[in-house]
Amino acid sequence: EAAVTQSPRNKVAVTGGKVTLSCNQTNNHNNMYWYRQDTGHGLRLIHYSYGAGSTEKGDIPDGYKASRPSQENFSLILELATPSQTSVYFCASGDRDREVFFGKGTRLTVV
Amino acid sequence: QQKVQQSPESLSVPEGGMASFNCTSSDRNFQYFWWYRQHSGEGPKALMSIFSDGDKKEGRFTAHLNKASLHVSLHIRDSQPSDSALYFCAASERGNYQLIWGSGTKLIIKP
Repeated sequence: EAAVTQSPRNKVAVTGGKVTLSCNQTNNHNNMYWYRQDTGHGLRLIHYSYGAGSTEKGDIPDGYKASRPSQENFSLILELATPSQTSVYFCASGDRDREVFFGKGTRLTVV
Repeated sequence: QQKVQQSPESLSVPEGGMASFNCTSSDRNFQYFWWYRQHSGEGPKALMSIFSDGDKKEGRFTAHLNKASLHVSLHIRDSQPSDSALYFCAASERGNYQLIWGSGTKLIIKP
């Protein structure tokens, strides 16, 4: 089955610090996504990518950057973490018009 | 207004009963609809897709799509405790890389 691996699974960061969330997929999918999930908001798209070297802004990109150095890897970067970025983050991969596969999520707490 | 609206927000069903979810979109460009399920502590996982008007049945799960009314539903018969989860509806335009997500329905199966 398609595999999407996120690391770390849990992270506590200090306000103003830099946080990098990593994602690796072995599905050879072109598209990768970063979502955050908060109670009452469902899944909200932060950044996505069509392939190595590309990143696109999603619906809530402010305060986040993304990097896609290869087909397999997609990172989400919080340059200056804030408490409002405390959330559960999901990485996903998929191809056009096909099922999207999600990782198990990263629980980020910014204190 | 959200482009994909789900109802109800939460649902409690006795074991062995029928669980039903509804999803309405406001964008007539949406052609593909998906149902995803998320168990606690996991990422969402696709349950089934439906692209054509009518019913699609997979085991205990039946999806129904009416493109004229932009309405899609999911029905689970003979509900099991393992069906307790968060259920998401998602929609996309044909050929579009992005899924637009509903806010989810929390299903609790009572033993």
